[in-house]
Amino acid sequence: AQSVSQHNHHVILSEAASLELGCNYSYGGTVNLFWYVQYPGQHLQLLLKYFSGDPLVKGIKGFEAEFIKSKFSFNLRKPSVQWSDTAEYFCAVKGSWGKLQFGAGTQVVVTP
Amino acid sequence: NAGVTQTPKFQVLKTGQSMTLQCAQDMNHNSMYWYRQDPGMGLRLIYYSASEGTTDKGEVPNGYNVSRLNKREFSLRLESAAPSQTSVYFCASSPGDRANEAFFGQGTRLTVV
Repeated sequence: AQSVSQHNHHVILSEAASLELGCNYSYGGTVNLFWYVQYPGQHLQLLLKYFSGDPLVKGIKGFEAEFIKSKFSFNLRKPSVQWSDTAEYFCAVKGSWGKLQFGAGTQVVVTP
Repeated sequence: NAGVTQTPKFQVLKTGQSMTLQCAQDMNHNSMYWYRQDPGMGLRLIYYSASEGTTDKGEVPNGYNVSRLNKREFSLRLESAAPSQTSVYFCASSPGDRANEAFFGQGTRLTVV
């Protein structure tokens, strides 16, 4: 069965620090990978996605993610976070049958 | 262009009551989803519909039924609500091909007492 694992449940860091959130998935076939963000009190919004080509994907608000097929990973990075990046971040995988499955999420708190 | 619209936004039910959560999208998407979001558990898929007239179970379908009567609308029904169904429910839609992301509604916060 398809599964998605996010390593950190809660991350606290200071403004200007670098952020990296881990995501691993288990699925034997071709997958499409997504990172979503949920700001407090809001619905999920797409940060970036990977479906083919360059494994380094750039998204909105300075976020990027790298797909490493051999490690079944799709880690999210941002070189320098801002207070406004405080949110919950979700990794998601869509397999061949079209179901979109999410990880448990990582709560990121950026302190001024 | 409203995107994905969910109603109601908030609801309180008594144990054993029934209700239907409504979801409609105006993007002509084929696929629609219902998720529940609980602290520390992320979003768990309840039901999925790849196209009008088709539905498939997700990770946590027990206690729920769905109906995809047309392309726009995908409803979620709780026949006999239980406190364990207290959650935030999100509806989403996507074009259907694997490469495209899902678009989410604003959510329904349901409390079962």
